[in-house]
Amino acid sequence: SQTIHQWPATLVQPVGSPLSLECTVEGTSNPNLYWYRQAAGRGLQLLFYSIGIGQISSEVPQNLSASRPQDRQFILSSKKLLLSDSGFYLCAWGRNGTPGKLFFGSGTQLSVL
Amino acid sequence: GQQVMQIPQYQHVQEGEDFTTYCNSSTTLSNIQWYKQRPGGHPVFLIQLVKSGEVKKQKRLTFQFGEAKKNSSLHITATQTTDVGTYFCVAGTASKLTFGTGTRLQVTL
Repeated sequence: SQTIHQWPATLVQPVGSPLSLECTVEGTSNPNLYWYRQAAGRGLQLLFYSIGIGQISSEVPQNLSASRPQDRQFILSSKKLLLSDSGFYLCAWGRNGTPGKLFFGSGTQLSVL
Repeated sequence: GQQVMQIPQYQHVQEGEDFTTYCNSSTTLSNIQWYKQRPGGHPVFLIQLVKSGEVKKQKRLTFQFGEAKKNSSLHITATQTTDVGTYFCVAGTASKLTFGTGTRLQVTL
């Protein structure tokens, strides 16, 4: 069966510090991978998605970047965090091809202080 | 760009009352998905609708896809406290998924 792992669960970082959130998927190959951000009490905003190794599409201009160094690994990074980067970050995977059902990780609550 | 609006944003019901959330897209869709997110949790897939006018049921939940494939609804009959959470529709086209704004449901005894 497929599983998705996302860590850490919570993170408190000072403004200006770097960020690295990691997500890995097991039990499937060549998945579509996604990073979403959710502000408190709000909907999900798609940040990045990837259909293959090294292929990253950005949905919104921002202070963040994403990388996919391996087929089932998706990393969200920032060189210098801003207060506005605070939020709940969710990684998700879906089967390759036409976008379908998404399976979400448990999320990372990031607080930038 | 594509917009997916849900109404209401928030609804508070007493246990046993019915609940409906509506989802409207600005464009014609390939499919519509529904997810539930419990407080503090992550979205969990509920169902996908593909056909025009399609209706699917899961126990007390009824999902409907509009004839024009631009809107959808989720109806919960006789809500229970376990139904608490935010319900998102997700609009699917050939190339992307777009989350709706969500409806937060609160159920009290």
